[in-house]
Amino acid sequence: AQSVTQLGSHVSVSEGALVLLRCNYSSSVPPYLFWYVQYPNQGLQLLLKYTSAATLVKGINGFEAEFKKSETSFHLTKPSAHMSDAAEYFCAVSDIVQGGSEKLVFGKGTKLTVNP
Amino acid sequence: EAQVTQNPRYLITVTGKKLTVTCSQNMNHEYMSWYRQDPGLGLRQIYYSMNVEVTDKGDVPEGYKVSRKEKRNFPLILESPSPNQTSLYFCASSPRGTSGQETQYFGPGTRLLVL
Repeated sequence: AQSVTQLGSHVSVSEGALVLLRCNYSSSVPPYLFWYVQYPNQGLQLLLKYTSAATLVKGINGFEAEFKKSETSFHLTKPSAHMSDAAEYFCAVSDIVQGGSEKLVFGKGTKLTVNP
Repeated sequence: EAQVTQNPRYLITVTGKKLTVTCSQNMNHEYMSWYRQDPGLGLRQIYYSMNVEVTDKGDVPEGYKVSRKEKRNFPLILESPSPNQTSLYFCASSPRGTSGQETQYFGPGTRLLVL
């Protein structure tokens, strides 16, 4: 079964600094990978996803992630943090379960704090 | 506006009192799913549905029931809630749920407290 590990349950950066949120996956087959963001008191929304096209994926709000097969990683980055980026970020890998249905397996999440 | 709606958004109840959390999507999606979110555990799938009258267990189905009588609705039923079901619940949908590549669209969440 697929699994996802997010290193660091809390990350704190200064406004304008680089954001790096780490995600490693385990998969025996080429995976589909996702980053979702959850703003306070809201549901999750998709930031970006990797579906085996370009290894560098650009998402919304200036975020991007690079799929590195050799490192089984899909780290999320943003060159310059903004106060509005404060949220919880979830990495997820897609699995196909019995019956042929897809299933998202989520990491435990990383809460990003942006300091003025 | 394309969306997933959940009701209620907040609910306080007592142990053993049956409750239903409704979920509705207006995107004609075939796949719908329920998750619970707990601190330090991320999101875990409770139940999912591939289409009308087709439902299956996720990772943490104990204590929950679901039904899918119409394509747009996927209610979550707690027949006898217990305090360990205190959590934040999310409903999600995607077009077909078979490719592994689809984006899931999430509702705003229902925060449940069971006393």
